Amino acid sequence: SSELTQDPAVSVALGQTVRITCQGDSLRSYYASWYQQKPGQAPVLVIYGKNNRPSGIPDRFSGSSSGNTASLTITGAQAEDEADYYCNSRDSSGNSWVFGGGTKLTVL
Amino acid sequence: QVQLVQSGAEVKKPGASVKVSCKASGYTFTGYYMHWVRQAPGQGLEWMGWINPNSGGTNYAQKFQGRVTMTRDTSISTAYMELSRLRSDDTAVYYCAREEAIAAAVGLDWFDPWGQGTLVTVSS
Repeated sequence: SSELTQDPAVSVALGQTVRITCQGDSLRSYYASWYQQKPGQAPVLVIYGKNNRPSGIPDRFSGSSSGNTASLTITGAQAEDEADYYCNSRDSSGNSWVFGGGTKLTVL
Repeated sequence: QVQLVQSGAEVKKPGASVKVSCKASGYTFTGYYMHWVRQAPGQGLEWMGWINPNSGGTNYAQKFQGRVTMTRDTSISTAYMELSRLRSDDTAVYYCAREEAIAAAVGLDWFDPWGQGTLVTVSS
């Protein structure tokens, strides 16, 4: 399968913890990366590999993976975390890349 | 700092072609694959393909094969994405994104940074 599946929308109370998931067969073989996109802006990398954060990404962002599911966790969500989040990985062939459909995160 | 700067917005008629540029700075252009991703209005991200700036080799998503051409000019550290036979559903923001990878770990790769995006509008 070349698909990655994400929940379309998730909400979290300010300061609470939220997990955004990404499911796909290719995740059993390849790592996922996660991107944050705010309205009118280009995507920004927030997590790559097992659980790596680029410089400048707050440590409240973390990643994990088990079987065919990758997860992005925000511990202590802030108002500025409200955005769309996309997972990405190679497809099962390993020769193409695929994005999940995206999850719109609302911070209440 | 590592930066990708794309060309400006384009308006094209159906059936025409568009060529978007992506100028890289702050790193060795030939050392990293460049990917192209598009996003239709209100929709998600869609991977289009990559170019190896060192060799010029390409790999296109099946959906775009026959319509997309990715090239590069190493003398000016610029990658290009040309899409032909444009249709109204090609209206989207087109992004370039540099691939980073750990060579020793298969499938450990990610996109960073991204260009600012180029809006291509296809309308008669």
